[in-house]
Amino acid sequence: TQLLEQSPQFLSIQEGENLTVYCNSSSVFSSLQWYRQEPGEGPVLLVTVVTGGEVKKLKRLTFQFGDARKDSSLHITAAQPGDTGLYLCAGGAIYNQGGKLIFGQGTELSVKP
Amino acid sequence: DAGVIQSPRHEVTEMGQEVTLRCKPISGHNSLFWYRQTMMRGLELLIYFNNNVPIDDSGMPEDRFSAKMPNASFSTLKIQPSEPRDSAVYFCASSPPRGSGGTDSYNEQFFGPGTRLTVL
Repeated sequence: TQLLEQSPQFLSIQEGENLTVYCNSSSVFSSLQWYRQEPGEGPVLLVTVVTGGEVKKLKRLTFQFGDARKDSSLHITAAQPGDTGLYLCAGGAIYNQGGKLIFGQGTELSVKP
Repeated sequence: DAGVIQSPRHEVTEMGQEVTLRCKPISGHNSLFWYRQTMMRGLELLIYFNNNVPIDDSGMPEDRFSAKMPNASFSTLKIQPSEPRDSAVYFCASSPPRGSGGTDSYNEQFFGPGTRLTVL
């Protein structure tokens, strides 16, 4: 069974600080996605990484896929209150079982002004 | 473009009653997923369909849960009879055919707004 572990589970920081969220597994994934979920809404896709070592940037967010495609990180620079939310990583099953994703437990981020 | 549509948005019912949750996926998407989210267990995959065919229902908690997808534009998740421990937010998500959106369409899922179910 493929599992994804996210850390930390909770993060409370001040506006302007930097932070990193980690997503780790002992399994290889075909792709790794990061979603952000706001209260009362469904998760929304932020980015997909598919190549080992790949780095993608989305404004102040930097996403990296591990060389072995077993782990990923999300780094936020100069966090803002608007970044508050639940961040979920999700791995694509290596044999693409009909598009199934394995989700991590999530990181609840709170950015205080 | 309309996103994934779920109804109802909120449902409050009493233990023992039948509950039916509905989902309309994004047009052109060929995969549909039902998830349940709670604080304790996070986001759990219940069942998913590919081209209207159930592929994996191993996440369905027990026989009280059933799901159908009679056509490409509609799916239901039914709980009968409902129990208080079924209280959660239920999400439906759909996904386009792989590769249909270019190199970034890699199992990407588009979620609906969810149905918050409370069983008293």
